[in-house]
Amino acid sequence: NAGVTQTPKFQVLKTGQSMTLQCAQDMNHNSMYWYRQDPGMGLRLIYYSASEGTTDKGEVPNGYNVSRLNKREFSLRLESAAPSQTSVYFCASSGQGTGNTIYFGEGSWLTVV
Amino acid sequence: GDSVTQMEGPVTLSEEAFLTINCTYTATGYPSLFWYVQYPGEGLQLLLKATKADDKGSNKGFEATYRKETTSFHLEKGSVQVSDSAVYFCAPRLEQTGANNLFFGTGTRLTVIP
Repeated sequence: NAGVTQTPKFQVLKTGQSMTLQCAQDMNHNSMYWYRQDPGMGLRLIYYSASEGTTDKGEVPNGYNVSRLNKREFSLRLESAAPSQTSVYFCASSGQGTGNTIYFGEGSWLTVV
Repeated sequence: GDSVTQMEGPVTLSEEAFLTINCTYTATGYPSLFWYVQYPGEGLQLLLKATKADDKGSNKGFEATYRKETTSFHLEKGSVQVSDSAVYFCAPRLEQTGANNLFFGTGTRLTVIP
């Protein structure tokens, strides 16, 4: 049961470097999400994709871009990393119905120095 | 607007104590209600859910009842264990599709001591 798989699990970047977090789900879900989690802040939505070919900004999109490559994959890109982007990032997916469960990846720990 | 208010933590309990974590929401329409749990170093996972009024979700000894009249979904467990130490998130999911319809509470950290 792969579920939601995200890579890398850990990454250290220097300020100004770029990187892409990869995410794939094997549950045929339409909706996919990227969240960041910071101490005391709970989960904050960065971007989401309600279906293949569509993406929308969430609560904290600045400094990020996303690509819904196909139905399975939803990547998050940091074009010029900043220390404020040090966080734990979670990819998630779900069916679109209101009763559908959200399934999360295991998280990517990113440190920007 | 739509929002969720969750009891702030941290909460520290002795093993076998009774647990309540309060959650209330404001939402247009008729949301489904979820509790997610996050164990240290892991992603969130579903703990339980309820999709209509008066439904009771239950799992691993935890329970929560969908109270439409009070717009609440309080999490309870009669006897907590050390292994229940985690962060708990209340999350209403609204009816509209094609848009972000999921809201998370800020999370409540529970620590259970032997």
